[in-house]
Amino acid sequence: AQRVTQPEKLLSVFKGAPVELKCNYSYSGSPELFWYVQYSRQRLQLLLRHISRESIKGFTADLNKGETSFHLKKPFAQEEDSAMYYCALRGTGANSKLTFGKGITLSVRP
Amino acid sequence: EPEVTQTPSHQVTQMGQEVILRCVPISNHLYFYWYRQILGQKVEFLVSFYNNEISEKSEIFDDQFSVERPDGSNFTLKIRSTKLEDSAMYFCASLRDSTDTQYFGPGTRLTVL
Repeated sequence: AQRVTQPEKLLSVFKGAPVELKCNYSYSGSPELFWYVQYSRQRLQLLLRHISRESIKGFTADLNKGETSFHLKKPFAQEEDSAMYYCALRGTGANSKLTFGKGITLSVRP
Repeated sequence: EPEVTQTPSHQVTQMGQEVILRCVPISNHLYFYWYRQILGQKVEFLVSFYNNEISEKSEIFDDQFSVERPDGSNFTLKIRSTKLEDSAMYFCASLRDSTDTQYFGPGTRLTVL
């Protein structure tokens, strides 16, 4: 079975503060991990995926297989980062489903 | 940039009625999905569809649910006899190939009274 855990529901920080959104997963094989973001009244959109190893909008996430984690980090939060963030896992297989965590609301205050 | 579209944005129906939720995936995509999100809960997988057949379905996707790609463009989710607990946001997603990521539609909010 595959499972994604996002332990916190809400993170509220001031602008310029560092952000870390936690994600842990459970999967027996080699998963692919993603972070999706949903801004107010918009669709779910991909923020980043672990295989691309990119930094998008200043966010990074490193897959730690030993700790089965894929935490999302940003050194200096901006107000426009306020959104709902979902960690998701895709198992092996060409059209494997995504398994989502419960999501976390990030609120960045001015 | 091409996007997945969904109609309607909001559907209100009476318990026991049939509803059809429509999705137009991105045109060159081959894999299609439905997910749902009950208010306050996580996004849950319902079904995946490839090569005109269901590839995988979840426990939620029982006999009341069906999917269809009737014309090579639309991808529909039908709920035959809606229940109160079917009230949720339903998301369609599509994928070009196995190396791609899933692109989501804006969702249809289904309210069952």
